[in-house]
Amino acid sequence: KAGVTQTPRYLIKTRGQQVTLSCSPISGHRSVSWYQQTPGQGLQFLFEYFSETQRNKGNFPGRFSGRQFSNSRSEMNVSTLELGDSALYLCASSQDPGETQYFGPGTRLLVL
Amino acid sequence: KNEVEQSPQNLTAQEGEFITINCSYSVGISALHWLQQHPGGGIVSLFMLSSGKKKHGRLIATINIQEKHSSLHITASHPRDSAVYICAVKDDKIIFGKGTRLHILP
Repeated sequence: KAGVTQTPRYLIKTRGQQVTLSCSPISGHRSVSWYQQTPGQGLQFLFEYFSETQRNKGNFPGRFSGRQFSNSRSEMNVSTLELGDSALYLCASSQDPGETQYFGPGTRLLVL
Repeated sequence: KNEVEQSPQNLTAQEGEFITINCSYSVGISALHWLQQHPGGGIVSLFMLSSGKKKHGRLIATINIQEKHSSLHITASHPRDSAVYICAVKDDKIIFGKGTRLHILP
């Protein structure tokens, strides 16, 4: 089985722009979670999706949004980018919520 | 005070040593995860625990729900074990520790 894939792997944007990141879960996995990792804050939970519904959301501003499609693929969007949004964005999938998660390689976003 | 505290923050040891990494948490949880992150960012889920003890190869994870404490042990450590080990606790949301950076010298 192919692992979790994330695209793009690297991205450079400028302040004020918006960005969309994509995550394809392992085949058969229906739950997708997104995380942000920065040197200062470490790993932080962004969202969890299951069957196209957002189950949980972390403490991030409304500029951060996401969605899940019927094929379980997920996207997250960050609007009006700020310098502090520079981070590694990780996606993880599991068969169902609460089960072992498998992480993708991440998308490294740099905001200039 | 952080809801999830890991110790030590950094650990350097010689190959073959027995390693212990600790995680204490202050919130109610349904499960605790141990993750391994290698340089370059890739994260691997090592264990998911809700009680007792789990073993996988040279890795052992234990959890004491009453004391809100978990430990990750590595027996016969090897340089390829060098990584950041992250503890995460989950109830409805997941909260991560800051990680323990482990460096095993050959």
